[in-house]
Amino acid sequence: QVRLVQSGAEVKNPGASVKVSCKASEYTFTTYLIHWVRQAPGQGLEWMGWINPANGHAYYSQKFQGRVTLTSDTSANTSYMQLSSLRSEDTAVYYCARDRGISTADSTTLNWYAPWGQGTLVTVSS
Amino acid sequence: DIVMTQSPDSLAVSLGERATINCKSSQSILHSSKSENYLAWYQQKLGQPPKLLIYWASTRAPAVPDRFSGSGSGTDFTLTISSLQAEDVAVYYCQQYYSSPPAFGQGTKLEIK
Repeated sequence: QVRLVQSGAEVKNPGASVKVSCKASEYTFTTYLIHWVRQAPGQGLEWMGWINPANGHAYYSQKFQGRVTLTSDTSANTSYMQLSSLRSEDTAVYYCARDRGISTADSTTLNWYAPWGQGTLVTVSS
Repeated sequence: DIVMTQSPDSLAVSLGERATINCKSSQSILHSSKSENYLAWYQQKLGQPPKLLIYWASTRAPAVPDRFSGSGSGTDFTLTISSLQAEDVAVYYCQQYYSSPPAFGQGTKLEIK
């Protein structure tokens, strides 16, 4: 079945960068957007951005603009989220999720998310 | 940007009773030409990723029990669990996908009374 499998937990020092991967399987990777959503301990869901694997175009939340970079490797069916200048408030579980709308290199469609990756805990601590 | 606001923040309901969660968007998320409300509901159990329950405001996702239902249009939406089961203890989130940036409500924690 369709799956998103994320990389393992990370511990980083303040000021460092982290790169989390999300490997997709059992569907055509370039047909759907991949979203990244984070959840701080005990908090709600916070949308970070999406990437269109068909053309590499990404759209970011203003909150993370300049600090987050979303990329995709179509040969590996994998999306990546890199967050730089880490601070303690970035400690969270980071999820990738597949959009269910069909997108192409010329258009993006926003729909609901299914499935989600299992989540990657990123801890920022000195 | 569209802001999603849920109420209540937490809710305790007895087993077998009805649970109702509300979600309000800061502007209409009804696509007039498609006649669809761009709203989804997710369930998140402790230690798990969110799971899709409802999309297009009222369409149940595959394998979701029929005790879960969604309703509403425009800016006001409701998730109803008709007869609460122990396995329904979770946090529930609404989400608009009408426009970028997509946005989630703050979540409603559902517990057993």
